Amino acid sequence: GAVVSQHPSRVICKSGTSVKIECRSLDFQATTMFWYRQFPKKSLMLMATSNEGSKATYEQGVEKDKFLINHASLTLSTLTVTSAHPEDSSFYICSASEPRVGNIQYFGAGTRLSVL
Amino acid sequence: AQTVTQSQPEMSVQEAETVTLSCTYDTSENNYYLFWYKQPPSRQMILVIRQEAYKQQNATENRFSVNFQKAAKSFSLKISDSQLGDTAMYFCAFLNTGTASKLTFGTGTRLQVTL
Repeated sequence: GAVVSQHPSRVICKSGTSVKIECRSLDFQATTMFWYRQFPKKSLMLMATSNEGSKATYEQGVEKDKFLINHASLTLSTLTVTSAHPEDSSFYICSASEPRVGNIQYFGAGTRLSVL
Repeated sequence: AQTVTQSQPEMSVQEAETVTLSCTYDTSENNYYLFWYKQPPSRQMILVIRQEAYKQQNATENRFSVNFQKAAKSFSLKISDSQLGDTAMYFCAFLNTGTASKLTFGTGTRLQVTL
């Protein structure tokens, strides 16, 4: 299957700082990428849909000013958690939609964010 | 809106045995995909198998097969000859075809393969 790279895999930061997470499609162009948040022992919760060259579409209840998404190229989307607080600590996962195979989503390995 | 239901929060199976994970969904769409994703302890989401709704034949990938019943909106996953490496969370998911639309996930089934 297609490969999606997510970086970093783990980040620890101080409260009030910002953290950027990158999601790259390595062997295909993805006009659409997705950002999820996963709480322990729970399913994936979609945060936003990232569209190349346009603004992201956020799910209800997700603060767009807190979670900034940029999809500047066909292979890269970034999620920036601004002014992070301990309650933002979570596991964040990205996926990229592969158009050549019916828009199947392939997932990155996830980023564990810990805010102190 | 679509919904996906996995009614088995946890299951256990002995190594080399067969286990079936259930999934039902609700949609008014006629063309869609269904998926099973596996999330092992590493938390990497791995695509296990997919089924196009227009295909009547059940998808098969090595030890993994599905029982797709479109009229009943049921999509179960059968794992044959279970291996310790199959221990993971398994998520059933629904996707509309066409545009890159959102995946709808079930709540997951935690599968433990024991010796």
